[in-house]
Amino acid sequence: DAGVIQSPRHEVTEMGQEVTLRCKPISGHNSLFWYRQTMMRGLELLIYFNNNVPIDDSGMPEDRFSAKMPNASFSTLKIQPSEPRDSAVYFCASSLPLINTEAFFGQGTRLTVV
Amino acid sequence: RKEVEQDPGPFNVPEGATVAFNCTYSNSASQSFFWYRQDCRKEPKLLMSVYSSGNEDGRFTAQLNRASQYISLLIRDSKLSDSATYLCVVNSYNQGGKLIFGQGTELSVKP
Repeated sequence: DAGVIQSPRHEVTEMGQEVTLRCKPISGHNSLFWYRQTMMRGLELLIYFNNNVPIDDSGMPEDRFSAKMPNASFSTLKIQPSEPRDSAVYFCASSLPLINTEAFFGQGTRLTVV
Repeated sequence: RKEVEQDPGPFNVPEGATVAFNCTYSNSASQSFFWYRQDCRKEPKLLMSVYSSGNEDGRFTAQLNRASQYISLLIRDSKLSDSATYLCVVNSYNQGGKLIFGQGTELSVKP
């Protein structure tokens, strides 16, 4: 299995532009997580899906952020409009929805908003 | 208060030393616990799960104290390759299965 696949690996964009980050979870995994990591705040959970349904989006910072999971093999995280404070590494992770099961992370998207 | 809190770092230790990391969590209904390792500019990866009875994997020992809501990781005979950030992770099914990460503790093992 190829693991969790994220794209792009790096994104540099100008403030005000729309940014779309993509994630393909491991086949058969029912749970999908989007995290943001910065030096100041560490790894923050933004949103969590189970069977393509958003279960908890309380970590989404504001209305500029939105996430979708149209099917079991694809999810997007969109920022519109982007701001410099959105600069961070965004990770997607997937797992089976079982107790004591490991979450597997993608390699992350390093976003820089200038 | 953060849901998962860890010792502040960094920890700088010589090779061969024993080092312990501590973590506390606030949700008493939490059901599963993990330690992840993150190398610089890489994604986090599972180091080991933490079971109620405690568990060991080679030089690594994890302990859980549900009454105190406390998790620990002990690394014996540390190696240069152990240098990384160690993340305490808690899964709370009463919050819909959220995996909550601590801030992480950086470990640097020196020759």
